[in-house]
Amino acid sequence: DVKVTQSSRYLVKRTGEKVFLECVQDMDHENMFWYRQDPGLGLRLIYFSYDVKMKEKGDIPEGYSVSREKKERFSLILESASTNQTSMYLCASSFGGARGETQYFGPGTRLLVL
Amino acid sequence: SQQGEEDPQALSIQEGENATMNCSYKTSINNLQWYRQNSGRGLVHLILIRSNEREKHSGRLRVTLDTSKKSSSLLITASRAADTASYFCATAPTGNQFYFGTGTSLTVIP
Repeated sequence: DVKVTQSSRYLVKRTGEKVFLECVQDMDHENMFWYRQDPGLGLRLIYFSYDVKMKEKGDIPEGYSVSREKKERFSLILESASTNQTSMYLCASSFGGARGETQYFGPGTRLLVL
Repeated sequence: SQQGEEDPQALSIQEGENATMNCSYKTSINNLQWYRQNSGRGLVHLILIRSNEREKHSGRLRVTLDTSKKSSSLLITASRAADTASYFCATAPTGNQFYFGTGTSLTVIP
């Protein structure tokens, strides 16, 4: 079974703090993704990565950065957290190319920025 | 940009009834997928239908795809209380980047 784990289920941070969200997958997937999910807006892609040290902006990258130093780990960084970044953050992974038709999701991190 | 849009936004049915939810999308696709999300959890892949397929079954799930109308439907037959969840369609116009809709919230009343 594919397993995608996220470092925290719940996180409370203060405005201006630097926040790290970690995601690890154990299936040797090439692709990894970070989404945020907000009521009425569905899932929106923040960043994705097709390979180690590679990253591509998604639809809403502003205020976020990412790091992929190892194939199994994809980190989302909020450089200076703001209240409008309060959200549910979902990490996903998939194989690359034609095998990448299915994404596997972690359990999510619910972040509250005060 | 958001590709998929589910309809209805919320659906409440009695256990044993069928549940139908629809998805409309904007551009041409390679495939369309349906995912399920239990409250406060991650999404789980349910079924994939390719652009050259019209219908697909998996257990109590039936998915149809009409590329001319850019729409898909998910039918859950003989619903159970455990089917209570949000359901999302996802499209992959190119490559491995997916676009998810806003979801249909299904409540199955025992």
